[in-house]
Amino acid sequence: GAGVSQSPRYKVAKRGQDVALRCDPISGHVSLFWYQQALGQGPEFLTYFQNEAQLDKSGLPSDRFFAERPEGSVSTLKIQRTQQEDSAVYLCASSPGSGGATDTQYFGPGTRLTVL
Amino acid sequence: DAKTTQPPSMDCAEGRAANLPCNHSTISGNEYVYWYRQIHSQGPQYIIHGLKNNETNEMASLIITEDRKSSTLILPHATLRDTAVYYCIVSYYSGNTPLVFGKGTRLSVIA
Repeated sequence: GAGVSQSPRYKVAKRGQDVALRCDPISGHVSLFWYQQALGQGPEFLTYFQNEAQLDKSGLPSDRFFAERPEGSVSTLKIQRTQQEDSAVYLCASSPGSGGATDTQYFGPGTRLTVL
Repeated sequence: DAKTTQPPSMDCAEGRAANLPCNHSTISGNEYVYWYRQIHSQGPQYIIHGLKNNETNEMASLIITEDRKSSTLILPHATLRDTAVYYCIVSYYSGNTPLVFGKGTRLSVIA
């Protein structure tokens, strides 16, 4: 079956531009996560949704970052007024959300954002 | 911060077993040990997880010490396609809890 998909795969933005990154989770998955991965580092948590509810946004680095999942499926991560330090790979992951130990996260391929 | 410590890099000859160690001395009683790997330009991929007992699946085996302060991921017959960064993560539940990644171990499988 289809896995998690993300679009675009690559995005180049000029400093100050707004960008929107899309995540299509596995159908029926309740939980959705966004992570940011800087070059040479492990992914870092940004935000978490359970269905349409954003339950944790403690990892968002500034108020320029905004995420939504209005119908509990597709999610969009928006970055306003992009800065060079926003350059990174943005990963989306989904999970069935049953809460058990076997409930693992499935990651998409990521969107590589480069801010010039 | 990550609750695990892993060596930054390891090499393994193709066809041999790859043994990747992980220290997690502060693990609490109901936290699981999860392993993910990330092949270049791809998202992380789940490999295996365990609580107390050793676990095996089609990809790997996980050996957890009796005191649960360390574990080893074993790839029994490494191939070139196993070249990746391997992350050891301690977490209550993976499905509804954010994962805390460290820097992982970069495994290079050599022909």
